Amino acid sequence: EPEVTQTPSHQVTQMGQEVILRCVPISNHLYFYWYRQILGQKVEFLVSFYNNEISEKSEIFDDQFSVERPDGSNFTLKIRSTKLEDSAMYFCASHGSGGASSYEQYFGPGTRLTVT
Amino acid sequence: GQSLEQPSEVTAVEGAIVQMNCTYQTSGFYGLSWYQQHDGGAPTFLSYNALDGLEETGRFSSFLSRSDSYGYLLLQELQMKDSASYFCAVYTGTASKLTFGTGTRLQVTL
Repeated sequence: EPEVTQTPSHQVTQMGQEVILRCVPISNHLYFYWYRQILGQKVEFLVSFYNNEISEKSEIFDDQFSVERPDGSNFTLKIRSTKLEDSAMYFCASHGSGGASSYEQYFGPGTRLTVT
Repeated sequence: GQSLEQPSEVTAVEGAIVQMNCTYQTSGFYGLSWYQQHDGGAPTFLSYNALDGLEETGRFSSFLSRSDSYGYLLLQELQMKDSASYFCAVYTGTASKLTFGTGTRLQVTL
């Protein structure tokens, strides 16, 4: 069964450093998302991406965040200058179009980001 | 804004039936999804309701009442592996984000 993959599984970084989280969505999917989940809390939307541009972003997704689809398979989230409060699990998700594919989002295993 | 409320915890015995509720307030609504998340794992899609009524998939059923802004997830014949967090999530349209509820932590006991 196709799956969303994410690397690395765990990233430890110092405050103020830049990090790039990587995702490979399911190959025929067209819609891509980043979510984050602070330990013990709910999943929060960060950004959606379609047709090589951002469709929607939350208030969390400020100027320190950016997304990119550098080639036909990878989807990345960059945090330019990390803060302690950026520590969370970051999930990439994707879905296709048409019928059930339009609403069933597939989540990757996540990258646990720890900012020290 | 959007908000989804769920009970924080529920405990049930193996083999029993459990219902987990979700009430939502949202601007724009296409449907209500349910996701399961085991500790340390990723959310996994369980079900989706766009219309009022009950949808059944094996041991899982999900119900939606759009007029009441309310839905629930019903799990039958509970198994120990069902111990997890269950999130309802509102879907507001194509290429649209999921807005997740606060989650219900289900503990299945012997």
